[in-house]
Amino acid sequence: EAQVTQNPRYLITVTGKKLTVTCSQNMNHEYMSWYRQDPGLGLRQIYYSMNVEVTDKGDVPEGYKVSRKEKRNFPLILESPSPNQTSLYFCASSNRYTQYFGPGTRLTVL
Amino acid sequence: ELKVEQNPLFLSMQEGKNYTIYCNYSTTSDRLYWYRQDPGKSLESLFVLLSNGAVKQEGRLMASLDTKARLSTLHITAAVHDLSATYFCAVDIMGGSQGNLIFGKGTKLSVKP
Repeated sequence: EAQVTQNPRYLITVTGKKLTVTCSQNMNHEYMSWYRQDPGLGLRQIYYSMNVEVTDKGDVPEGYKVSRKEKRNFPLILESPSPNQTSLYFCASSNRYTQYFGPGTRLTVL
Repeated sequence: ELKVEQNPLFLSMQEGKNYTIYCNYSTTSDRLYWYRQDPGKSLESLFVLLSNGAVKQEGRLMASLDTKARLSTLHITAAVHDLSATYFCAVDIMGGSQGNLIFGKGTKLSVKP
């Protein structure tokens, strides 16, 4: 089954404790991206990647890092999480016409 | 700065009625997407509109794109409760490459008996 998976699905952590949210897709897509969703703000792009080792900032990249060492994986790294990064995070991968979204990761930073 | 504006942001409808959600965007793009999101769920792709004048229909939903007016519409015909969800439009700003999308804030649709 074609899918985008994210882990963990839920995470509660404390300020400053480094964390990684993994994202994997099995559709051989070149393009992957990360979004955060906040009430009243819709979805905002954090980072995107057009291929292995090619990444670029989206609209809200501050406080986040990404890497793309393999085509199927695109992890999101929070080196020092802060409470304003409490949000719902979605990973997505794209073919030429459609983005496929993962199930989401609900992150709470205390 | 690219802006994607949806209206209304909240829509309460009665079953059987028709309504239209509007999506305006501020820069040139010939590729627009509509998504549906149920509470607590991920986004589901509804329509991909790839050119001026494109029209797509699925069940009670019909989407259209006017690139000259920078406007897309999502028309709901004879609404039913199962259509209750939040609907997002998104504009591709990379010239149709592969999905660097800017989203509208979403329209929360509630269909009541």
